[in-house]
Amino acid sequence: GDSVTQMEGPVTLSEEAFLTINCTYTATGYPSLFWYVQYPGEGLQLLLKATKADDKGSNKGFEATYRKETTSFHLEKGSVQVSDSAVYFCALSDRNTGRRALTFGSGTRLQVQP
Amino acid sequence: DTAVSQTPKYLVTQMGNDKSIKCEQNLGHDTMYWYKQDSKKFLKIMFSYNNKELIINETVPNRFSPKSPDKAHLNLHINSLELGDSAVYFCASSQDVSNEQFFGPGTRLTVL
Repeated sequence: GDSVTQMEGPVTLSEEAFLTINCTYTATGYPSLFWYVQYPGEGLQLLLKATKADDKGSNKGFEATYRKETTSFHLEKGSVQVSDSAVYFCALSDRNTGRRALTFGSGTRLQVQP
Repeated sequence: DTAVSQTPKYLVTQMGNDKSIKCEQNLGHDTMYWYKQDSKKFLKIMFSYNNKELIINETVPNRFSPKSPDKAHLNLHINSLELGDSAVYFCASSQDVSNEQFFGPGTRLTVL
């Protein structure tokens, strides 16, 4: 079945540091890929998405590129801020199965220190 | 305007009780979902409804029963609550083929 693997956290960075959160996936078809963010005490918000190979999703300075050859969708940001502290989830939906529900990774907690 | 809303936000109850969580979306989406987030933040799909019809029913105890009175609402009823049901339950909805999902704020259920 489909699965998503994320690097374990927490990831602790200083403000303005470079961020990478690794995400790899397994899917039977051609999935759409997503990064969601969960701020403390809140629900999930879509951060960015990519629907086909080589697409780059970007939002709020975050980027991720859909790499079919390495089955990866790593999240990057050039300069993190304290306000980026949150839990980040990589997820996929497999259009081939028509299942539509998201399969999530285990989440990576990011802590940014001033 | 709240896109996906859930009530209540917090729910504390005793083992053995029956409780319901309500979800409403005003986005005009066709598909709604219930996810469970455990204490380690892991998120797992429980149910999915498309136009009021059940399309996904993961391995969830029979004590959990979703109800969709119309395509804007998906409620979750839980019978005979157990300690292990303590979690945060998220409702979500989606429309397009890229399956971007919009999440509610979550309901934190605590079973004592």
